[in-house]
Amino acid sequence: QITLKESGPTLVKPTQTLTLTCTFSGFSLSSSGVGVGWIRQPPGKALEWLALIFWNDDKRYSPSLRSRLTITKDTSKNQVVLRMTNMDPVDTATYYCGHRSPTILDAFDIWGQGTMVTVSS
Amino acid sequence: SYEVTQPPSVSVSPGQTARITCSGDALPNQFGYWYQQKPGQAPVMLIYKDSERPSGIPERFSGSGSGTTVTLTISGVQAEDEADYYCQSADSSGIVVFGGGTKLTVL
Repeated sequence: QITLKESGPTLVKPTQTLTLTCTFSGFSLSSSGVGVGWIRQPPGKALEWLALIFWNDDKRYSPSLRSRLTITKDTSKNQVVLRMTNMDPVDTATYYCGHRSPTILDAFDIWGQGTMVTVSS
Repeated sequence: SYEVTQPPSVSVSPGQTARITCSGDALPNQFGYWYQQKPGQAPVMLIYKDSERPSGIPERFSGSGSGTTVTLTISGVQAEDEADYYCQSADSSGIVVFGGGTKLTVL
């Protein structure tokens, strides 16, 4: 059974850097074709894809946020970390991580429960 | 940048068929995916690769693709199907995009 869980601060100040961790089980991020991605959703708004890391350490970023994002993996700990710099109140959102299967390709078949992050001074 | 577009809202009576469309220039060459999201919950994948259904998803949910449009069809809509539905695709370089979401109202 695949599960993912997001963790990190619930409140960050403007200009600070946000660090979120996705801890997963039920799969290995060293298996060919597997990936983990991050998606966010501001309150009452649509889903927005942020980043994706693959089993071979290849990475993809949202073009509009690329300069602020860094995604890394620690295969031994079954974790993926997302860093977002220069946080702003508009970045207030629920942040999700999701599993990318080699069968399903460029989408997320299993999602974490999400973690709400508020940006405020 | 690549975008996919879906209607903001669709309404349907119980037992009827709901269709939600999603348009994108790359859809003839890239797959479309569909998610259901209920209030306070994480999204759930309904359809992958245009028309495949993950295990555990009811058969009343189906997907199809034609040209620049993919369509999610919900047959025999039930009250519990009232939710937000998101279309998703990716461009040839692996950049993922979500549509703006469609709120399905069951009258």
